[in-house]
Amino acid sequence: DQQVKQNSPSLSVQEGRISILNCDYTNSMFDYFLWYKKYPAEGPTFLISISSIKDKNEDGRFTVFLNKSAKHLSLHIVPSQPGDSAVYFCAARISGSARQLTFGSGTQLTVLP
Amino acid sequence: DSGVTQTPKHLITATGQRVTLRCSPRSGDLSVYWYQQSLDQGLQFLIQYYNGEERAKGNILERFSAQQFPDLHSELNLSSLELGDSALYFCASSVVEGATTDTQYFGPGTRLTVL
Repeated sequence: DQQVKQNSPSLSVQEGRISILNCDYTNSMFDYFLWYKKYPAEGPTFLISISSIKDKNEDGRFTVFLNKSAKHLSLHIVPSQPGDSAVYFCAARISGSARQLTFGSGTQLTVLP
Repeated sequence: DSGVTQTPKHLITATGQRVTLRCSPRSGDLSVYWYQQSLDQGLQFLIQYYNGEERAKGNILERFSAQQFPDLHSELNLSSLELGDSALYFCASSVVEGATTDTQYFGPGTRLTVL
């Protein structure tokens, strides 16, 4: 049972354009969401997060939107740069004593020059 | 550089063998998490330790065990290895368990190949 789903395994975008990566979840107990970027042969790197009490969080070129009623979140990258090419993982967590993350399967973003 | 270190970077071994993966968390972080990533899939949570005590277990096989030592480094022990155990194993650490918005920072991973 996949509680966090990234339905697009890959996405290609032209440099300078907007990249939109999507993520859906099924567990309504999730209250904190994170996006990680992963390059080959490296560990995931934290990008941006959002608490369930917010619907938007922005950090530079990265914005995460949360729609709790739809159980959907998205990551917007504007403008996209070739260095953004990587696998992006959406992750979710339930606050409490156990803080493990539940990850989606990832989306490979390719930014074309 | 996340500040989380993992050794070794690569490990090649045979079926039936036992290996130990090591993780040093970021300075000041009390929680350590282990995740497994198989074949371009998402990361699967294995186990969490907080200040030396086991806090949560995920999809961890009985052949696998872990511990966190007084200096907060952690080891993941994998025994009676099978071909299907070949994967990337990541360690992550976070600063304070009580903070609702603490973030997990990941190490570079150990690539385990079982032949």
